[in-house]
Amino acid sequence: GAVVSQHPSWVICKSGTSVKIECRSLDFQATTMFWYRQFPKQSLMLMATSNEGSKATYEQGVEKDKFLINHASLTLSTLTVTSAHPEDSSFYICSARDLIAGAPFYNEQFFGPGTRLTVL
Amino acid sequence: AQSVTQPDIHITVSEGASLELRCNYSYGATPYLFWYVQSPGQGLQLLLKYFSGDTLVQGIKGFEAEFKRSQSSFNLRKPSVHWSDAAEYFCAVGNNAGNMLTFGGGTRLMVKP
Repeated sequence: GAVVSQHPSWVICKSGTSVKIECRSLDFQATTMFWYRQFPKQSLMLMATSNEGSKATYEQGVEKDKFLINHASLTLSTLTVTSAHPEDSSFYICSARDLIAGAPFYNEQFFGPGTRLTVL
Repeated sequence: AQSVTQPDIHITVSEGASLELRCNYSYGATPYLFWYVQSPGQGLQLLLKYFSGDTLVQGIKGFEAEFKRSQSSFNLRKPSVHWSDAAEYFCAVGNNAGNMLTFGGGTRLMVKP
């Protein structure tokens, strides 16, 4: 299957700072990327969907000004947690899909390994 | 709206015993169904998926799942559990392979020696 990477795998930051998490598709073009959040011992909750070159679509209850998503290229999406607070501490997972017709991994969704964010 | 229920939050089985993890879904059309496994602190690994055709699907690591439309279920099974199978298992449903997925709450599997 296709490979999705995330960087960093973990990050610790002070309250009030901003943190950027990268999600990359390594061997396919990710026309769409999804960002999920997972609290300890809970399931994944979709935060937003981003299509390359356009604005992200946020799920209800997710603050778009706090969780900035940029999907500027077909292989990279970034999630920036602005003015992070301890309640933003969580495990963030991205996934990606390729919607280019005829592509080897067309319309399959592949998940990254996740990023553990701890805000002190 | 689509939803997924995994009735068992925790399951403990002995190594070598058989395993069945339950998954019930609610979806208005033909669902795309998935089972993922997550080891502690890790991302999701796809075990298997059902799109159409044969209702018994085989996955990696010796897992299989059976789609039963009449019961709205997609239960995951393994005939003989290994200690390395201890992990969190998530069932998910989508309207196609690549669209937004709705995940169940997860089942934590513990394996006794």
